[in-house]
This record gives sequence, C-alpha cells and structure tokens, in this order.
Amino acid sequence: QKEVEQDPGPLSVPEGAIVSLNCTYSNSAFQYFMWYRQYSRKGPELLMYTYSSGNKEDGRFTAQVDKSSKYISLFIRDSQPSDSATYLCAMTPGGSEKLVFGKGTKLTVNP
Amino acid sequence: DTAVSQTPKYLVTQMGNDKSIKCEQNLGHDTMYWYKQDSKKFLKIMFSYNNKELIINETVPNRFSPKSPDKAHLNLHINSLELGDSAVYFCASSQDPGRYGYTFGSGTRLTVV
Repeated sequence: QKEVEQDPGPLSVPEGAIVSLNCTYSNSAFQYFMWYRQYSRKGPELLMYTYSSGNKEDGRFTAQVDKSSKYISLFIRDSQPSDSATYLCAMTPGGSEKLVFGKGTKLTVNP
Repeated sequence: DTAVSQTPKYLVTQMGNDKSIKCEQNLGHDTMYWYKQDSKKFLKIMFSYNNKELIINETVPNRFSPKSPDKAHLNLHINSLELGDSAVYFCASSQDPGRYGYTFGSGTRLTVV
C-alpha cells in the first residue's frame, strides 16, 4: 500500500460547481497536511495547510482532515476556469521530515 | 525577485551526455530539495540538503550527483543521460516543512533524445 493515495482523475466540472478532491494515507505519524496547486508548466504552489484534524477555510477553498479515517479533502466552491490545474496533497510527520506527495488530481473547470 | 530559481528551464540533449541544472533560493531557508516529476505528475524526492549537508538520498542512480556550495544553492549534475531521465526536475526549499511546506522553483524540463 502506498503511503499516500490520490485519484489522478481527470476531473471535469462546469463553472460554478463544487469540487471535492481527496487523499487517503497509511502513516499515522502524519500530522501536517497540505494541498498544492500546479498549473501547467509551472511549479507547485502551496494552497492550503492544516495541522492535525479539523477544517480550515480560505475564501472558496476548504481543507478537511479526518485523522481517524486517514482521509483528507479539499473542497472548492463556485469553481472557476482559473481553478483548472493539478492538485496535489502532501503530508509530513513534522519537524525536518520530508513531504510525501499524492500523485495529483487534474481538474478542468469548463466555462 | 524569484524566491527559488532554476536554470535552465528547458534542456534537450542526447543520450550519453552530461548536464547540470542549477538552483538558487533567496528565502534564507536551511533545507533544499530536488524532486523528479514524471509524465504522470508524480513528484518523487531525490535529494535533500540541510545547510550544505546531504540528509536525504533516495534510491537514485549514481549518475545523479547533487552539490551544495552553500545553503542558498543546490545543483544537480547528471552523467551519461538516458532516455528514462526525461522528466521535469523541481528544486524546492523549506525552513520547516511541517509548518510552511516547500517553496518550489518553476522546474527544468529535461528531454533526452
């Protein structure tokens, strides 16, 4: 079983839809959870960060972590064509430990 | 003011050649990384340096050799390039991965022909 599993998609939705992106993980030591957004031919950029379990909201984006289920989600409300990108989950036990990435989900929001 | 800059952005070269990719960060971070992203977008760590000291060396062929002259620079040298080395190589830096994640460069797209 891979440490981090993420459905690669692709996912195609109409503009204005609510998008749900998910990752599961197997390492119970993970404490810090992130979502990165990567536009085509660009480097990944940090979008959302969550420590331990709970929700975090930032504008149209909500990140959820359920440590009991080893499951994290990113919700995008009122999706826009500019949200079209690959979304990668990442997580780490913390300290100086490296980030472990999911494979990324390619999202297309159609006008 | 690019935080993490890589050069070159594109590199096309023949099998068997030796090439280098350079990375510089102006964020004052202690730790720098090299990641390889394959055609399916999977990001795999190759190396990590903390203040010029190698701390992560994943299962990578000996043909790949990182060099960190100072904590702001991490270069990647690749000998005897193979077709399978074609990928996008990302440099990243971090002060505290858990709290702040990584800052990535824009990538070097390597094509071996």
